[in-house]
Amino acid sequence: EVQLVESGGGLVQPGGSLRLSCEATGFDFNIYWMHWVRQAPGKGLVWVSRINSAGSNTTYADSVKGRFTISRDNAEDTLYLQMNSLRVDDTAVYYCVRDTKYQLQSWGQGTLVTVSP
Amino acid sequence: QSVLTQPRSVSGSPGQSVTISCTGRSSDVGGYNYVSWLQQYPGKAPKLMLFDVGKRPSGVPDRFSGSKYGNTASLTISGLQAEDEADYYCCSYAGSYTWVFGGGTKVTVL
Repeated sequence: EVQLVESGGGLVQPGGSLRLSCEATGFDFNIYWMHWVRQAPGKGLVWVSRINSAGSNTTYADSVKGRFTISRDNAEDTLYLQMNSLRVDDTAVYYCVRDTKYQLQSWGQGTLVTVSP
Repeated sequence: QSVLTQPRSVSGSPGQSVTISCTGRSSDVGGYNYVSWLQQYPGKAPKLMLFDVGKRPSGVPDRFSGSKYGNTASLTISGLQAEDEADYYCCSYAGSYTWVFGGGTKVTVL
């Protein structure tokens, strides 16, 4: 069974940093692209970032480009999202998602990031 | 404002059919068949209901179907059931390894 478990969320002040982790089990992590998707309270889903299976190619939404960095450790079956220069509007539940053929197939339960003074 | 446009809400009685539209552009919905639909209950993670426009993952009832014409994709729920009351999001590959979502549609079972 595919399982994705996010961690690392919490309360941080504007301008601060946070690193999210996503531990993957139940599938061959090292052959799948992975994504981060976020959802602000009461709002819709927003795609944040994608990384290829080797970790050598990454893409980002314009809203986070230059501030967030996606990475992965295939030896540890773990996906990361380093978030710097956090803003109040980055407040959201962040989901780790496995890609299958350009579609966001399997979702974790999410971790809440709150950016507040 | 979301890139893909969905109605904010739709409703129907048990047993009826409802259809949710998802309108994008030739650079996303119209340009690829990588359109999917996700179901989300309050406080829960989204769940993939349809992929490749109209294919169902294992375990998804055949009451759920999808189609696409031009820049608009659609999700139809036939034989509406109480458990179908949820938020539904469309998602499309948008080229250059980027993805876009619709704003979400709340389905209410009357």
